[in-house]
Amino acid sequence: AQSVTQLGSHVSVSEGALVLLRCNYSSSVPPYLFWYVQYPNQGLQLLLKYTSAATLVKGINGFEAEFKKSETSFHLTKPSAHMSDAAEYFCAVEAGTALIFGKGTTLSVSS
Amino acid sequence: EAGVAQSPRYKIIEKRQSVAFWCNPISGHATLYWYQQILGQGPKLLIQFQNNGVVDDSQLPKDRFSAERLKGVDSTLKIQPAKLEDSAVYLCASSDGTGGEAFFGQGTRLTVV
Repeated sequence: AQSVTQLGSHVSVSEGALVLLRCNYSSSVPPYLFWYVQYPNQGLQLLLKYTSAATLVKGINGFEAEFKKSETSFHLTKPSAHMSDAAEYFCAVEAGTALIFGKGTTLSVSS
Repeated sequence: EAGVAQSPRYKIIEKRQSVAFWCNPISGHATLYWYQQILGQGPKLLIQFQNNGVVDDSQLPKDRFSAERLKGVDSTLKIQPAKLEDSAVYLCASSDGTGGEAFFGQGTRLTVV
């Protein structure tokens, strides 16, 4: 069965610092992987998705993620955090045509 | 392009009462999903429709939850009777059914007291 595990329920960074949110997946077949962001009282918005075309995936708002099969990882990064990046981030794997989500990581950004 | 519309945004009910949520997907989207997001957890799929047929409802508590998608467009999710543990945000999402992105509505926050 496919699943994702997000390491760290809460990550705190300073404005301008590197953002690293960790996600490991479990899948018996080559997975489609996603990162979504959720702002308070909002729905989920797609940041980026991996569909096997390229291992380094660039998304919106300066985020990117690298698919590493050897490590079964799909970590999300951003070189320089902005206050507006504070939100909940979810990693997800496609199962059939639906998504299985991780538990989420809350990103806090301090000035 | 209009997004996925959900109503109401918030609902407070007492346990054992019934409640219904409504979702209007993006026009032309064949696939519609209902997810349950309990505080501190990721969304969990309750039911998936393709047009007006059910693709997956394996995690829907069918003794109290029901959902329908009339004419392959709007959908309603009902809970009867509600339990305290049903307190959550209920998210509706839609996609074009060809492997494209799933777009999410803002959700309905249900509090059962």
